Amino acid sequence: EVQLLESGGGLVQPGGSLRLSCAASGFTFSSYAMSWVRQAPGKGLEWVSAISGSGGSTYYADSVKGRFTISRDNSKNTLYLQMNSLRAEDTAVYYCAKVLTPNSGSYYGDDYWGQGTLVTVSS
Amino acid sequence: SYELTQPPSVSVSPGQTARITCSGDALPKQYAYWYQQKPGQAPVLVIYKDSERPSGIPERFSGSSSGTTVTLTISGVQAEDEADYYCQSADSSGLVVFGGGTKLTVL
Repeated sequence: EVQLLESGGGLVQPGGSLRLSCAASGFTFSSYAMSWVRQAPGKGLEWVSAISGSGGSTYYADSVKGRFTISRDNSKNTLYLQMNSLRAEDTAVYYCAKVLTPNSGSYYGDDYWGQGTLVTVSS
Repeated sequence: SYELTQPPSVSVSPGQTARITCSGDALPKQYAYWYQQKPGQAPVLVIYKDSERPSGIPERFSGSSSGTTVTLTISGVQAEDEADYYCQSADSSGLVVFGGGTKLTVL
């Protein structure tokens, strides 16, 4: 059974940093691209970032480019999102998600999602 | 920036057919994906690559594509289908976007 478990969310001041983790199990982690998607309170879904199975290719939304860094440790089956220079508008539930198709070059279209971790940016 | 446009809301009676559209200039060249999200829950993939249905998704969910518009169709809508629905695709440069979401109300 595929499981994705996010952690690392919490309250942080504007300008601060936070690192999210997503522990994956139930599939061959290194074969799949992975995504981060966020949802601000009462708002729609926003794609944040994605990373290829090897970790060699990364992709970012314009809203986070230069502030967030996606990475993965395939030996630990874990996905990360390092978030720096956080702003109030980054407040959201952050989901990690597994891309549907393995080894395809595709980095969106997610068939499994975690339950999310809440990040609140406030003074 | 690239946008996918969805109607904010769609309402149907139980047993009828709901159609939710998603429009974007790059849709003729990029696949679309559809997600269902119920309150307090993570999204669930209901359609991939425009018209494919993942295992475990009821047959009443289907997808189609025509030009710059993709459509999610739910035939014989049930009360449990009441949810927010989002389309997802990418622009010509590969930037991934979601539509604004459509709230499906089952009357």
